[in-house]
Amino acid sequence: SQTIHQWPATLVQPVGSPLSLECTVEGTSNPNLYWYRQAAGRGLQLLFYSVGIGQISSEVPQNLSASRPQDRQFILSSKKLLLSDSGFYLCAWSVSRNRDSYEQYFGPGTRLTVT
Amino acid sequence: GNSVTQMEGPVTLSEEAFLTINCTYTATGYPSLFWYVQYPGEGLQLLLKATKADDKGSNKGFEATYRKETTSFHLEKGSVQVSDSAVYFCALREAAGNKLTFGGGTRVLVKP
Repeated sequence: SQTIHQWPATLVQPVGSPLSLECTVEGTSNPNLYWYRQAAGRGLQLLFYSVGIGQISSEVPQNLSASRPQDRQFILSSKKLLLSDSGFYLCAWSVSRNRDSYEQYFGPGTRLTVT
Repeated sequence: GNSVTQMEGPVTLSEEAFLTINCTYTATGYPSLFWYVQYPGEGLQLLLKATKADDKGSNKGFEATYRKETTSFHLEKGSVQVSDSAVYFCALREAAGNKLTFGGGTRVLVKP
């Protein structure tokens, strides 16, 4: 069966510090991968998605970046965090083979607090 | 562009009450529609889905019917339990794409 992992689970970082959040998927190959952010009291915002190694699409301009160094690894980064980067970050994956398999499966999330 | 609008919460109910969460959407073509649930401190789980007009998705006592004429996908449950307390997200996936568009989420609190 497929599983998705995210770490760390929680993170407190000062403004201006760097960020690296990691997401890995097991039990599938060539998944589509997604990063979402859920700000306090708000819905989910798609930040990045990837259909393959090295292929990243950015949905919103910001000081975050994403990379996919391996097929089942997706990393969210920042060089300098802002207060507004605080939120709950969710990674998700979906099968890329056929239309009916486009359900997205979410990881447990990382709660980031920028102080 | 695509958009999903759902009722704002929080919705507070007593156990065994009837729950309805309204969801309407704007999209081109024939999107697929989803309801996701987020329990406290966890990620999102797919609750149910419908891929074409008049389809009814159902799971764990929850139901939602894809109504193209009213562009709606309202979530209902006849008798809620305390364990149904969570945030519920309505979402759509456009017909030719990988991305989901989410509504703002509705927090539901069920009291014993």
